[in-house]
Amino acid sequence: KQEVTQIPAALSVPEGENLVLNCSFTDSAIYNLQWFRQDPGKGLTSLLLIQSSQREQTSGRLNASLDKSSGRSTLYIAASQPGDSATYLCAVPSYGQNFVFGPGTRLSVLP
Amino acid sequence: EAGVAQSPRYKIIEKRQSVAFWCNPISGHATLYWYQQILGQGPKLLIQFQNNGVVDDSQLPKDRFSAERLKGVDSTLKIQPAKLEDSAVYLCASSLEVELFFGEGSRLTVL
Repeated sequence: KQEVTQIPAALSVPEGENLVLNCSFTDSAIYNLQWFRQDPGKGLTSLLLIQSSQREQTSGRLNASLDKSSGRSTLYIAASQPGDSATYLCAVPSYGQNFVFGPGTRLSVLP
Repeated sequence: EAGVAQSPRYKIIEKRQSVAFWCNPISGHATLYWYQQILGQGPKLLIQFQNNGVVDDSQLPKDRFSAERLKGVDSTLKIQPAKLEDSAVYLCASSLEVELFFGEGSRLTVL
């Protein structure tokens, strides 16, 4: 059974800092991993999808890497802004296309 | 491109009452998911449809929850009778191949 953890659970940083969010999973036999952002009271917005053949994906100030052998993915946010404040979740497929989500990292970027 | 549509956005009911949520996925997306997200946790899969067939409903409390996807497009999730612990956000997602796309969610409060 796939289990996903995320560290840290919460993070508060001043504006402009670079930061790293971590996602760990127990079953490394995956074919992709997806990072999402969730604003309070909203649904999930897809940020990055990493296929198993890739080691990383980039979108603007975001960079996500995937290390299947160690069961880890990291989301790197460069030059953080107050608008980046949200909860960040990673999702990993379990059986078939059933995605298992981590509990999320709640990020606050202070102006 | 229109996103995943869900309604209602908010619903407040008393325990033992019934409630239904509706989802319209992105056009052409064959796979549709219903997730339950309790405050402070990541989403948990309730049921996954491929076209109008059920792929995975192993975590759906079938004594009170039911879901259908007629004609392989829209879907309805019903809870009857509701319990206090059903208070959560019910998220609908769809996918064409791998990437998940979510609606805004339906927030249920059971009093």
